[in-house]
Amino acid sequence: DADVTQTPRNRITKTGKRIMLECSQTKGHDRMYWYRQDPGLGLRLIYYSFDVKDINKGEISDGYSVSRQAQAKFSLSLESAIPNQTALYFCATSAPSAGVPDTQYFGPGTRLTVL
Amino acid sequence: QKEVEQNSGPLSVPEGAIASLNCTYSDRGSQSFFWYRQYSGKSPELIMFIYSNGDKEDGRFTAQLNKASQYVSLLIRDSQPSDSATYLCAVRPSGYNKLIFGAGTRLAVHP
Repeated sequence: DADVTQTPRNRITKTGKRIMLECSQTKGHDRMYWYRQDPGLGLRLIYYSFDVKDINKGEISDGYSVSRQAQAKFSLSLESAIPNQTALYFCATSAPSAGVPDTQYFGPGTRLTVL
Repeated sequence: QKEVEQNSGPLSVPEGAIASLNCTYSDRGSQSFFWYRQYSGKSPELIMFIYSNGDKEDGRFTAQLNKASQYVSLLIRDSQPSDSATYLCAVRPSGYNKLIFGAGTRLAVHP
């Protein structure tokens, strides 16, 4: 089984709808991240969480919210979806370790289309 | 504004050649540097990281870091068509617990 899973893998929704993207991990990592990827813009950080009680905004958090339900689960919500939120969304996890850079590992992604 | 710059490509190389991918970054105090490979429609996968000046080799891949000039590069020896992908450079700036990603360089290896 994959270490980092995302559901759904593909979603088409309409403007104004609320949608939730879910991420689960079995790596035992404390740190979890949500990114979006748009063509030509690379990966941009939406929110990140370093433990269950820690939630932080990334560079593009407007229009999004998150919930860290457990160490292994981190959900991203779009309260009222708009077309420019059409993108590929990735969840990532990491765990700092002495002497090794904190390395992020990515889930398979969710392709979201907002009509 | 902390930035990571990559040439978008495509970088086209013949099979068996060395592919050289470059990345520059703006924060002089950046501590660690990562290269990810991403196939179209797939998630980024880690190739290697580097945090000391000089070269680090892993199989056909070599990462090179020059902190004075603020660039990091990835060399792929004996390039194969299966290496055709987008390569993302990521940097952890000083005082940051997050990564800043470049937009990626698309590599095309032709037979």
